[in-house]
Amino acid sequence: QQPVQSPQAVILREGEDAVINCSSSKALYSVHWYRQKHGEAPVFLMILLKGGEQKGHEKISASFNEKKQQSSLYLTASQLSYSGTYFCGTETPEGSQGNLIFGKGTKLSVKP
Amino acid sequence: DGGITQSPKYLFRKEGQNVTLSCEQNLNHDAMYWYRQDPGQGLRLIYYSQIVNDFQKGDIAEGYSVSREKKESFPLTVTSAQKNPTAFYLCASKTGPLEAFFGQGTRLTVV
Repeated sequence: QQPVQSPQAVILREGEDAVINCSSSKALYSVHWYRQKHGEAPVFLMILLKGGEQKGHEKISASFNEKKQQSSLYLTASQLSYSGTYFCGTETPEGSQGNLIFGKGTKLSVKP
Repeated sequence: DGGITQSPKYLFRKEGQNVTLSCEQNLNHDAMYWYRQDPGQGLRLIYYSQIVNDFQKGDIAEGYSVSREKKESFPLTVTSAQKNPTAFYLCASKTGPLEAFFGQGTRLTVV
């Protein structure tokens, strides 16, 4: 039931761009994106809702293709602080606002 | 300050012992969640609750139990039936179509 994230890991140089993908086998009500530093709590980045509404930080962009049940997170001009593990979380219409399931994560490393 | 608090930060369990992890929020959120985190496995849902006195099993509920007697509190008990409980446990809360807030986690180790 976990959404599938790709890639599993990515290494960037400062200033490079990256895309992280998230796909689900079920129809989605919402997609959430979080970043976690080692040993810390995940931090909210973006939420995308069915119907096109988005809420999140200004410097983060993401897309949500409802028909394909997929979402992508776009990280541009990466900084060292972007390093961490990125998780997508999904809610289905049946469990809307209730059943928040996360993927296995994408580990992003930004090098100087 | 509003937030979600987990305690303790570190917890050690002996074989065959039940332990309870605390999660309290003062954000007035309706839904609360418990996740287990193991290396390479992401965040796996144990239990969640959308309202007081009601909760649902997640993907890995076996060996765990919860209660939701108050809106603010959602404690997780790791029972002796959970054979491999060593992990990082995260509690979260949210309301409506908004983001989830996470506690700082409890690291449980079997000794």
